[in-house]
Amino acid sequence: GAGVSQSPRYKVAKRGQDVALRCDPISGHVSLFWYQQALGQGPEFLTYFQNEAQLDKSGLPSDRFFAERPEGSVSTLKIQRTQQEDSAVYLCASSGDRESYTFGSGTRLTVV
Amino acid sequence: GESVGLHLPTLSVQEGDNSIINCAYSNSASDYFIWYKQESGKGPQFIIDIRSNMDKRQGQRVTVLLNKTVKHLSLQIAATQPGDSAVYFCAETYQKVTFGTGTKLQVIP
Repeated sequence: GAGVSQSPRYKVAKRGQDVALRCDPISGHVSLFWYQQALGQGPEFLTYFQNEAQLDKSGLPSDRFFAERPEGSVSTLKIQRTQQEDSAVYLCASSGDRESYTFGSGTRLTVV
Repeated sequence: GESVGLHLPTLSVQEGDNSIINCAYSNSASDYFIWYKQESGKGPQFIIDIRSNMDKRQGQRVTVLLNKTVKHLSLQIAATQPGDSAVYFCAETYQKVTFGTGTKLQVIP
């Protein structure tokens, strides 16, 4: 597609529920990144893929967070047993050259 | 750890005036910097970038200045317009983008 697409745009989850957030990167982009953005803060790095390989997951806050990109294109960020502190906007970005990123509009997750 | 940060959380500017948004970074090894604009409900949008071997780079109505001696970046927006109202982030890039906290630019009509 022309840009990075994320779905859903909004997600409300009850505490303890599992959620899955989807990212469709720009076609042909090798690199894919997930970021978490709390209200009023800058995005914080979560994890990075090069094709299907997850090269860096140092930013994942706990083992409840899991990301995959099995075919090197679409990626899914899964959060298990959601907690209130997981409420944030989750941004996905893709890049063809590891420097210029294109971000999606994000998924706003609210845990109640 | 390394971080990038901004001096001013909110900046109000009269329409037509020039805006200057500042940023300090702490990793002296950083060699590539980007300014992003983020409007409400949208992801960050690339504005302009600069490499550490440059002091200044100009785009359309925007200029980025880099002072490596004091580890300082600034973004200058000429003739600020209402459409420039957004949160601006400086970021350091090496394999991944590390963002600062952000400055909210408010343009007064």
